[in-house]
Amino acid sequence: GEDVEQSLFLSVREGDSSVINCTYTDSSSTYLYWYKQEPGAGLQLLTYIFSNMDMKQDQRLTVLLNKKDKHLSLRIADTQTGDSAIYFCAEKRVLTGGGNKLTFGTGTQLKVEL
Amino acid sequence: KAGVTQTPRYLIKTRGQQVTLSCSPISGHRSVSWYQQTPGQGLQFLFEYFSETQRNKGNFPGRFSGRQFSNSRSEMNVSTLELGDSALYLCASSWATGGSTEAFFGQGTRLTVV
Repeated sequence: GEDVEQSLFLSVREGDSSVINCTYTDSSSTYLYWYKQEPGAGLQLLTYIFSNMDMKQDQRLTVLLNKKDKHLSLRIADTQTGDSAIYFCAEKRVLTGGGNKLTFGTGTQLKVEL
Repeated sequence: KAGVTQTPRYLIKTRGQQVTLSCSPISGHRSVSWYQQTPGQGLQFLFEYFSETQRNKGNFPGRFSGRQFSNSRSEMNVSTLELGDSALYLCASSWATGGSTEAFFGQGTRLTVV
């Protein structure tokens, strides 16, 4: 199937780490992305990882990729109230027409409590 | 460098009408993709354009169409609007259509069909 799955909700305390998980289906996906969406806004690209990498770190963000299990995670260190948003993982699939499309997960609503 | 610009931001239309949405990609970007976001279906791929050619189309009826101009700006059109077309329509811009390029999203156009 084409589903990219994420848990729907995550609640953490300010200052703690957040871990958002995602499982994808297409083993031929070359790039996997994390996007953030705040209320009423578009999608903000946070980071991405190439499928031959295991880990990528970018300031407070760490992406882990387990290609064997098709599992992707996003860790946010020292989570702040401004991190409250919906987080989407997405896999990039190359299509037969030569282009590509992003297939998104259902999104995880992250709530950061004081 | 200006980001992806979508106009209008908000739109209210009546069932049976048609609507045209506009997307101006980041300067130098040649690929534009469109996505529909609804609470029930999440983020769904509509179509992708590159160098004025539609490369791929998602699983949407023929009422949904689009085009891309020589300056890479893109429009999408929905004819004979239905209540179920109410959604946030997002446009993504990327430099090329290959697997390694990041996709940057606009703020979206919120379409309400009444």
